[in-house]
Amino acid sequence: GEDVEQSLFLSVREGDSSVINCTYTDSSSTYLYWYKQEPGAGLQLLTYIFSNMDMKQDQRLTVLLNKKDKHLSLRIADTQTGDSAIYFCAESRNAGGTSYGKLTFGQGTILTVHP
Amino acid sequence: EPEVTQTPSHQVTQMGQEVILRCVPISNHLYFYWYRQILGQKVEFLVSFYNNEISEKSEIFDDQFSVERPDGSNFTLKIRSTKLEDSAMYFCASRWTGLWPEAFFGQGTRLTVV
Repeated sequence: GEDVEQSLFLSVREGDSSVINCTYTDSSSTYLYWYKQEPGAGLQLLTYIFSNMDMKQDQRLTVLLNKKDKHLSLRIADTQTGDSAIYFCAESRNAGGTSYGKLTFGQGTILTVHP
Repeated sequence: EPEVTQTPSHQVTQMGQEVILRCVPISNHLYFYWYRQILGQKVEFLVSFYNNEISEKSEIFDDQFSVERPDGSNFTLKIRSTKLEDSAMYFCASRWTGLWPEAFFGQGTRLTVV
């Protein structure tokens, strides 16, 4: 079955770039997602990338996808203390219909940003 | 900005009791989901719901669980006889159509079974 793995912790200094990595096993994945969870809050969709893309940029966020290695990364430029949160990688399959909504999540990376 | 809302934010219940977790999806969305996250574990898919019926469910979603859309706005998850291992954060999500990839999540309900 599908599996998604992430490293558990990342600590960076304010102003530096953060890179959060994710690997997945399902070669049928169509969309790959990054969600952010702040303490006591829900899962906020940050961005997603279609599997036929290599890169997507959205303001301070850059998503890189290496489909051959099944590796996804999220780069946050100029990381701020407000970026401290748990970041989840997730994937969904190319099956259409409701399978686009069924997400398989990684265990989350706790990003800590130090002043 | 439209959002998925869940109530209550925290529910404490005794083992064996029934609980109903409530969700109001984004108003023009057609696909609805429940996920759960046991403390320290991954977010897991439970069930998807479309056109007033379950379209997919995981192995976790056994006979103790049921979902319902009782009116045009609410989407509920019922656990008939709660067990200690049902303690988790439960997330509701909704999606506009089958071709739109974005799924939006609520803030979650923390269920504690004692």
